[in-house]
Amino acid sequence: QVQLQESGPGLLKPSQTLSLTCTVSGVSITSGSYYWSWIRQPAGKGLEWIGRIYPRGGTNYNPSLRSRVTMSVDTSKNQFSLKLSSVTAADTAVYFCVRLPAGKDVDYWGQGILVTVSS
Amino acid sequence: DIQMTQSPSSLSASVGDRVTITCRASQGIRNDLGWFQQKPGKAPKRLIYTASNLQSGVPSRFSGSGSGTEFTLTISNLQPEDFATYYCLQHNTYPLTFGGGTKVEIK
Repeated sequence: QVQLQESGPGLLKPSQTLSLTCTVSGVSITSGSYYWSWIRQPAGKGLEWIGRIYPRGGTNYNPSLRSRVTMSVDTSKNQFSLKLSSVTAADTAVYFCVRLPAGKDVDYWGQGILVTVSS
Repeated sequence: DIQMTQSPSSLSASVGDRVTITCRASQGIRNDLGWFQQKPGKAPKRLIYTASNLQSGVPSRFSGSGSGTEFTLTISNLQPEDFATYYCLQHNTYPLTFGGGTKVEIK
């Protein structure tokens, strides 16, 4: 059974870099034609796609966040990661890691992790 | 970016009702659309993929239709566990974009 689990600091100060890791179990992160992605949701608001990474090469980022986002993969640990630089209170949200089959929408979600940006 | 306009933003309904939620895309997306259900404090759960295909394990009272720019999610015979927020997601063009959500509340 495919499972995704987010981890990382839950509290950041403005201007710091948000760093989250998603640990994947039940499937190899390099198997099949899967992209791995991050989505976020501010409290009481809608969902925003952040970007995706393909372990064999390639990333796509939301243009609204592109200048601050970096995604990477650690195949030895079956993990992928998100870095978002220069955070502000507007980046406070629940962050979900998800799986995207090629050409399709999200089929598996992590439980989500709340990240709060506050001085 | 493709804008997904979802309506209504909220609705009140009773158990047993038939409910319809609509998503309109700002440009054609073929049938590259999914529908998700989210309950408070939980991750969204996929109900429908490629506009009209029922996700395994999802009750048959959920159905999706549409193609191009207009899509609908229908819940027939609304059940107590269906009170939640519903989102559409287009995956035709990056960046992926979601509808604004529809909160289904108990009347």
